[in-house]
Amino acid sequence: EDQVTQSPEALRLQEGESSSLNCSYTVSGLRGLFWYRQDPGKGPEFLFTLYSAGEEKEKERLKATLTKKESFLHITAPKPEDSATYLCAVQAGGTSYGKLTFGQGTILTVHP
Amino acid sequence: KAGVTQTPRYLIKTRGQQVTLSCSPISGHRSVSWYQQTPGQGLQFLFEYFSETQRNKGNFPGRFSGRQFSNSRSEMNVSTLELGDSALYLCASSFNYNEQFFGPGTRLTVL
Repeated sequence: EDQVTQSPEALRLQEGESSSLNCSYTVSGLRGLFWYRQDPGKGPEFLFTLYSAGEEKEKERLKATLTKKESFLHITAPKPEDSATYLCAVQAGGTSYGKLTFGQGTILTVHP
Repeated sequence: KAGVTQTPRYLIKTRGQQVTLSCSPISGHRSVSWYQQTPGQGLQFLFEYFSETQRNKGNFPGRFSGRQFSNSRSEMNVSTLELGDSALYLCASSFNYNEQFFGPGTRLTVL
């Protein structure tokens, strides 16, 4: 069974204080690892998809990296508007098609 | 390019009733997946449709069903509602499974 564990559950940062979120996974043949941002009362917003160990992707203050067992979302010099829940999900190979298995998320709060 | 739309945005039902939720994917996307989100269980996969065929199904009871139309629009139905079905129901569409884009969700409250 595919499993995703995110840590920490919650993270409080001061504006400008860089940090990382962790996503550990077990999956039968990883097809893709997804990162999303979700604001309260809204649907998840797509950020990145990573496909193989060593891959990195960046978007503004966010950088996602992938190893064979985990992924990190690095947040550089965060701003209050980066406050949200960050979700990690895996898609297995084979016949999993559109099925994503999600972690519980990390609630990020950035104080001005 | 318009995003994924879901209707209605909010629903209040009573136990035992049934409900139908609708999802319109991004134009050109033929895959639609449905998820249930609750504070305790997080986001859980319900099922996925591609070209009117259900390709995958999560671990939910048979009360949860869905379908997809020839224009890729999808509906999900929950029969005999239970209190525990209260949740945010999300649909996501994809062109090639490399990116899945979510709609705003339908907030279902069962009283």
